Amino acid sequence: EVQLVQSGAEVKKPGESLKISCKGSGYSFTSYWIGWVRQMPGKGLEWMGIIYPGDSDTRYSPSFQGQVTISADKSISTAYLQWSSLKASDTAMYYCARMSGSYLSYWGQGTLVTVSS
Amino acid sequence: EIVMTQSPATLSVSPGERATLSCRASQSVSSNLAWYQQKPGQAPRLLIYGASTRATGIPARFSGSGSGTEFTLTISSLQSEDFAVYYCQQYNNWPLFFGGGTKVEIK
Repeated sequence: EVQLVQSGAEVKKPGESLKISCKGSGYSFTSYWIGWVRQMPGKGLEWMGIIYPGDSDTRYSPSFQGQVTISADKSISTAYLQWSSLKASDTAMYYCARMSGSYLSYWGQGTLVTVSS
Repeated sequence: EIVMTQSPATLSVSPGERATLSCRASQSVSSNLAWYQQKPGQAPRLLIYGASTRATGIPARFSGSGSGTEFTLTISSLQSEDFAVYYCQQYNNWPLFFGGGTKVEIK
């Protein structure tokens, strides 16, 4: 069974750094792209970027280029999304999902990130 | 970039009725379009890919159609569990984009 399990909710202060994770199981982790999607409170879905864990090829949506870093550690089947300096506007639910081609076939449960002073 | 526009923003439907949701792309995406369903407090779920192919386990009352720039998701007879927000997503060109969503609510 394909599963993506994300790390737990985080509460941070503006300016702090953060790295959230997404662990894949039940499939060949290095053979499928992983995508990250943001959902701000009460809003729709936004693509952030994608990574191919096999060779760490990464692509960012223009809106998120330079704002976050996507990475992966294939030895532990885990993808990451990180911020170096959080802002209040980063408060959102973040989803990872395994891609099939270029659509999202299996989703993680989401990680809620709250940034507040 | 390709802009995806969904209409209507909200659709009020009675249980058992048919629901028709629209998704328009600002330029052709061929058949590279997916639909997702999101219920409150849950992660989205893939319903349709390739514009018309149901994902594994998706009931036959969900159907997708269209190609190029105009797409439709039809729910033939709404069940209580179908009241949710539906998003389309193009995957013909990077960057990938979702539409703004259509909320299907109980009339």
